[in-house]
Amino acid sequence: DAGVTQSPTHLIKTRGQQVTLRCSPKSGHDTVSWYQQALGQGPQFIFQYYEEEERQRGNFPDRFSGHQFPNYSSELNVNALLLGDSALYLCASRPPSSSSYNEQFFGPGTRLTVL
Amino acid sequence: AQSVTQLDSQVPVFEEAPVELRCNYSSSVSVYLFWYVQYPNQGLQLLLKYLSGSTLVESINGFEAEFNKSQTSFHLRKPSVHISDTAEYFCAVISSGGYNKLIFGAGTRLAVHP
Repeated sequence: DAGVTQSPTHLIKTRGQQVTLRCSPKSGHDTVSWYQQALGQGPQFIFQYYEEEERQRGNFPDRFSGHQFPNYSSELNVNALLLGDSALYLCASRPPSSSSYNEQFFGPGTRLTVL
Repeated sequence: AQSVTQLDSQVPVFEEAPVELRCNYSSSVSVYLFWYVQYPNQGLQLLLKYLSGSTLVESINGFEAEFNKSQTSFHLRKPSVHISDTAEYFCAVISSGGYNKLIFGAGTRLAVHP
């Protein structure tokens, strides 16, 4: 069983460009969250997708948008890239459950460098 | 709103020595607490968690953490570290009534020296 996969592994863009990052959740998982981890910092929550809808959002500008597909995979789009968007972008998925907590499984991340 | 403070950005230690990585949290509601580990060029792996019950929780590789509600702390300890424990460690919280949004601390880099 493959875990959470992300593509691409690394990406280099220039300021002002747009980027799309992709995430395939672990098998059986239906909820996907995205996190941004800047160098030397802890991950910060960007947003979460469930049933193809954005369910919760962190403190990120509208330049950050996402999408979830019927197969539960997800995309993170960032428009008008800034130097400060350089970071490791992590995707996490979790299974459906009625309990208040379910473990999230993280992918290896996409390293985005903005020049 | 919740927040997490990891009191040490870096902890150097010799192999086989004990170590403690400190974590304090702030929250007005009940929380679940976690420690994640990140090895170089990898994603995050869950090391251990506190959801309820016994305040002392253990991992399979010898780490333990104790939830202290009065001090709002969740410090991570290991009595004898190995070179392979060298990694970045993140403390995190989830509010018990939310959508499992993780709030992370800034991380502590554990460097184990021979």
